Amino acid sequence: DAKTTQPNSMESNEEEPVHLPCNHSTISGTDYIHWYRQLPSQGPEYVIHGLTSNVNNRMASLAIAEDRKSSTLILHRATLRDAAVYYCIPRPGAGSYQLTFGKGTKLSVIP
Amino acid sequence: KAGVTQTPRYLIKTRGQQVTLSCSPISGHRSVSWYQQTPGQGLQFLFEYFSETQRNKGNFPGRFSGRQFSNSRSEMNVSTLELGDSALYLCASSSGRGVNYGYTFGSGTRLTVV
Repeated sequence: DAKTTQPNSMESNEEEPVHLPCNHSTISGTDYIHWYRQLPSQGPEYVIHGLTSNVNNRMASLAIAEDRKSSTLILHRATLRDAAVYYCIPRPGAGSYQLTFGKGTKLSVIP
Repeated sequence: KAGVTQTPRYLIKTRGQQVTLSCSPISGHRSVSWYQQTPGQGLQFLFEYFSETQRNKGNFPGRFSGRQFSNSRSEMNVSTLELGDSALYLCASSSGRGVNYGYTFGSGTRLTVV
């Protein structure tokens, strides 16, 4: 599986955009990039995933670099409920039936 | 619709005992996976079941086992409990297998081994 590098922690002010980076320089051409987050005292929650193009959903946007060696999860307006650990997870396009979690980025949101 | 339900939420067991944890996936979801979360090792994959068959297994000893029933509900069993088995055990379900399917996790069962 491709290795990932994420900041240990980040802070954001409430109602401001947040850009959470992930480096995955060893990713293969068929690896998808998934993001999950884990709120305190809860199980992980699926956020978004993509392969090459930028992706948007109601929760967030995912911007994938043209060389695919990095990606950025964008929360457009951080709320207190977005305080969580965010995990960037490359998944092989074939035969991927598990999630390999790293240490993730702990996001704190300041009121 | 109802989410992934795990029971019990909390459990205290004595070293050497065995324990069974239960997971009810989202209705219609046929894939069920189990994960262990500890402060030291983080989230680690235990195994995945699909159509009542174990399809994948993580790097855990044989004391960890599981099964899936015809209604997709799943149980995991840990025998001869060790102190190091204290962890949050998470179940996740998915409507299908493969990279384009996301997983929905339950809130977990907190197991404490004393």
